[in-house]
Amino acid sequence: QKEVEQDPGPLSVPEGAIVSLNCTYSNSAFQYFMWYRQYSRKGPELLMYTYSSGNKEDGRFTAQVDKSSKYISLFIRDSQPSDSATYLCAMNPSGNTPLVFGKGTRLSVIA
Amino acid sequence: DGGITQSPKYLFRKEGQNVTLSCEQNLNHDAMYWYRQDPGQGLRLIYYSQIVNDFQKGDIAEGYSVSREKKESFPLTVTSAQKNPTAFYLCASSIGSGGRAFFGQGTRLTVV
Repeated sequence: QKEVEQDPGPLSVPEGAIVSLNCTYSNSAFQYFMWYRQYSRKGPELLMYTYSSGNKEDGRFTAQVDKSSKYISLFIRDSQPSDSATYLCAMNPSGNTPLVFGKGTRLSVIA
Repeated sequence: DGGITQSPKYLFRKEGQNVTLSCEQNLNHDAMYWYRQDPGQGLRLIYYSQIVNDFQKGDIAEGYSVSREKKESFPLTVTSAQKNPTAFYLCASSIGSGGRAFFGQGTRLTVV
């Protein structure tokens, strides 16, 4: 079993839809959870950052962490064509260790 | 502007040649990382460094080498021993605590 599992998609939704992206993980020591957005041929950019369990909201984006289920989610409300990208989840047990990444989910938002 | 600069953006090399990818950061971050990205593979860790003059192997270090002589710089050399070097290479850095990593724009290496 891989440490971090993420459905690669592709996921295609109409403009304005609510998008749900998810990752599961096996290492109960993970405490820091992140979501990155990567446009084609570009470096990933940090979108959301959460420590331990709970929710975090930033504009149209909401990140959720459920440590009891080892499950994290990213919700995108009112999705836009500019949200079309690959979304990578990442996590680590402490701040001084390298991030472990999911394989990424490719999202297309159709106008 | 603070950030991470990778150069060049595109690199072409003949098989059997060593090539060095540059990564510079002015974020004053202690830790720096090199990842390789292939289609369908996600990001795989090659090497990382948490402090100057020290670095550790990641999951796929074979055929690669690094140095960390300055806090700002973490160059990656792809040697002729790397069997399949054509890939997208990403450099990142992070502050000491919290683990938030910030990435450069990547170098696409093609070996022919």
